[in-house]
Parts: sequence; structure tokens; C-alpha cells
Amino acid sequence: DGGITQSPKYLFRKEGQNVTLSCEQNLNHDAMYWYRQDPGQGLRLIYYSQIVNDFQKGDIAEGYSVSREKKESFPLTVTSAQKNPTAFYLCASSNRQANQPQHFGDGTRLSIL
Amino acid sequence: AQTVTQSQPEMSVQEAETVTLSCTYDTSESDYYLFWYKQPPSRQMILVIRQEAYKQQNATENRFSVNFQKAAKSFSLKISDSQLGDAAMYFCAYREYGNKLVFGAGTILRVKS
Repeated sequence: DGGITQSPKYLFRKEGQNVTLSCEQNLNHDAMYWYRQDPGQGLRLIYYSQIVNDFQKGDIAEGYSVSREKKESFPLTVTSAQKNPTAFYLCASSNRQANQPQHFGDGTRLSIL
Repeated sequence: AQTVTQSQPEMSVQEAETVTLSCTYDTSESDYYLFWYKQPPSRQMILVIRQEAYKQQNATENRFSVNFQKAAKSFSLKISDSQLGDAAMYFCAYREYGNKLVFGAGTILRVKS
């Protein structure tokens, strides 16, 4: 079955450490997205990519970095510059046509040790 | 920038009754798409229903229907015959061609038995 796989499900970060969240899709979607969700809040866009080797900052990109070397993969690195990384992170993908919905992974919960 | 507003942080409904969740948005575009997503306690994001702005007919998916008022920039979700499994956070989202999805802050729906 096609879908989006996020790993790991839970992740812990030590002070000063960079961590990378994985997102892989086999839906043949061009566009991929990373969102952050804080408790009781909506989704805020971190980064998005419409095509391989290209990506744009979303509303809260500071302290995060991404790469898009393959169509199927869009990893997110939470750097030590992100001072409040504890949140739920969701990856999504879609075709580029606006009438197509975004499909979401099951998320990664990141906590600080 | 486009914004999406969900004015009801929390709603309750009795099982088998009908409930309406509100959503308004701000845009200067004439061609765009609107979505309702459901996020149950499992934190999965599930597409409930979508509406294309150029279609006057309101979208319907089984017990879920929308009331789309383009001039008023309103996109409410009606859930009929509410079930315990409908309990979740509901997000309204806006997307225009080639652009990212903008989410509202969400409405928590509680279903009473």
C-alpha cells in the first residue's frame, strides 16, 4: 500500500544536539511538507518542497533544515539553534495540483532530555 | 497572506445529533480549494471533505457536508448522526494553486453518549 512513513515515532534530543526526522513516501508525489504541532494547537508549516533539489521556508523555519535529494525522501533536521523543539512533527505529501489533498504520516514526537 | 479562522475552540454534541463547526478564511483569490481534516487522539490527520471554490454545489461525504458561502468566505462542516468515533480535533484548511496549505487553529469535538 502507498503511504508516508515517518521515523522514529519518538525521539529524544540532548542539549546542543542535532537530530534528524525521517520522512519517506511511495505515493509518487512531487510536493512534500513538514509541520510542527504544539499541544492543543494547529499545524504550522516549517519547510516545503515542490520538486527535487528545491525547497522553501515556511512560517517557522528558524532552527530547522531540510534536504530533498530524492523525490521519495524529505528529512528534517532539528538543529541546536531550535531552543524549543519539543513538539509533534508531521510530514505530508501531495501532487502539485491544488485540488489534491495532502496525505500525512503518523508523526514523530520529539522531546528534550 | 491567507488566514483561516476557526472561532470555536471546543464543541460538544450528543450522540446521533447534528453539529456544525465554523470556519472563515481571508483571500483575494477567486480560485482555491478548501479542506476539512480530522485528527483523532491517535494524531493521524485524516481528510474528511474537500470543496473547490468554483463549484457552487456544497460537497457531501456520507454524514459530513459543508456549507460553502464564497461571498462570505465561510466554510462550515456539518456532521449528522454524530458517532463516538467522530470525537477528534477538526482542522479547516485553505489551498490555492501551487501554494501551501494554511490551517486554522482547530476545533475539539466531544461526542457525548
